[in-house]
Amino acid sequence: TQLLEQSPQFLSIQEGENLTVYCNSSSVFSSLQWYRQEPGEGPVLLVTVVTGGEVKKLKRLTFQFGDARKDSSLHITAAQPGDTGLYLCAGVSADSWGKLQFGAGTQVVVTP
Amino acid sequence: SAVISQKPSRDICQRGTSLTIQCQVDSQVTMMFWYRQQPGQSLTLIATANQGSEATYESGFVIDKFPISRPNLTFSTLTVSNMSPEDSSIYLCSVRDANQPQHFGDGTRLSIL
Repeated sequence: TQLLEQSPQFLSIQEGENLTVYCNSSSVFSSLQWYRQEPGEGPVLLVTVVTGGEVKKLKRLTFQFGDARKDSSLHITAAQPGDTGLYLCAGVSADSWGKLQFGAGTQVVVTP
Repeated sequence: SAVISQKPSRDICQRGTSLTIQCQVDSQVTMMFWYRQQPGQSLTLIATANQGSEATYESGFVIDKFPISRPNLTFSTLTVSNMSPEDSSIYLCSVRDANQPQHFGDGTRLSIL
């Protein structure tokens, strides 16, 4: 059973469209990270959120941490082909003994 | 963030053989981890590599199959022993320091024939 439920599993959109990826859990997280992974590479850290209700922006990417620190979302505005990749949420909770727990990942494909 | 180098980047191996993957970090780090990832899927933690002591394995992974060394704070190895086609996967080294986010190497793509 995955501690972090990530949805959707797969997203295919046209360039210029918006998308949102969700990461939900019944556990409280002390911090939550979002990674993007491209073929042939390891996951690259995009952002860390630690405070409930926190919103962070990275160019066209907006990350939100839920007030109760149990969920998070990633929103991409005006997606570009360079946004294509596997997006992974991961967090450390009281249930994970300090270990990073990963969601199942969302494969995003942005076509020109 | 730390620069993590993994070797080899990929390999094709024969059934029944063993392969050792190396992970070198450009700075001393507190924690080092080894993960397995099927293409297009999420990461599964194999073990935490402890410096100077035996690694801590997750459920479903055992030391005889995945022996790990960590002789110092910048280096670790993972051996995949007696390989079978089911071991074909991407193996990733990851590091984390106190109160810092976790970072990953580019992985080793392993295929077993």
